[in-house]
Amino acid sequence: SQQGEEDPQALSIQEGENATMNCSYKTSINNLQWYRQNSGRGLVHLILIRSNEREKHSGRLRVTLDTSKKSSSLLITASRAADTASYFCATDDWEGGSYIPTFGRGTSLIVHP
Amino acid sequence: DGGITQSPKYLFRKEGQNVTLSCEQNLNHDAMYWYRQDPGQGLRLIYYSQIVNDFQKGDIAEGYSVSREKKESFPLTVTSAQKNPTAFYLCASSPHTGENSPLHFGNGTRLTVT
Repeated sequence: SQQGEEDPQALSIQEGENATMNCSYKTSINNLQWYRQNSGRGLVHLILIRSNEREKHSGRLRVTLDTSKKSSSLLITASRAADTASYFCATDDWEGGSYIPTFGRGTSLIVHP
Repeated sequence: DGGITQSPKYLFRKEGQNVTLSCEQNLNHDAMYWYRQDPGQGLRLIYYSQIVNDFQKGDIAEGYSVSREKKESFPLTVTSAQKNPTAFYLCASSPHTGENSPLHFGNGTRLTVT
């Protein structure tokens, strides 16, 4: 199955700075999703961007999608200590008549107060 | 509040024993999923179910079994045939398995087998 790959694997910044995470994938997609996972918890859906969209905003989150480069980026502006978490991208794989999300390994973000 | 409940949060078993992880949702979602997460790894799909009484193998189904007798419930059994069962198991659901259907996750069960 296709898997998105996040970059960097780990990111450490100071509160107030912006955090940028990237995701690359291998084959064409219908949409790409970003999720957040706090330590020891389940994932929480952040944002979905369709293949015909180039940019999407949600609060302090900005997601871009470049289908020609098969890549997406997640920007968190004015980061807070509470943003400390792992962030995953997911693409929908077509499996036997269904779209099944497949996940990358994630970016671990630490925001220092 | 609607959501997904996984229980227990922590589970300890001896090698050679089967163990069943519970997953219940009250979101009225048709689709349910089981993923496995190992340290520093992404999520790998074990099984998914599009509808009651139907389920499909994911990428790493060997050593696992599931059932979907009720819409709300999708239990996962980790059998003794699973070579490396210690992991964090995540259950998820979505309205359907069509496009643009984000997943809702439970808070996971951490299984340790010794």
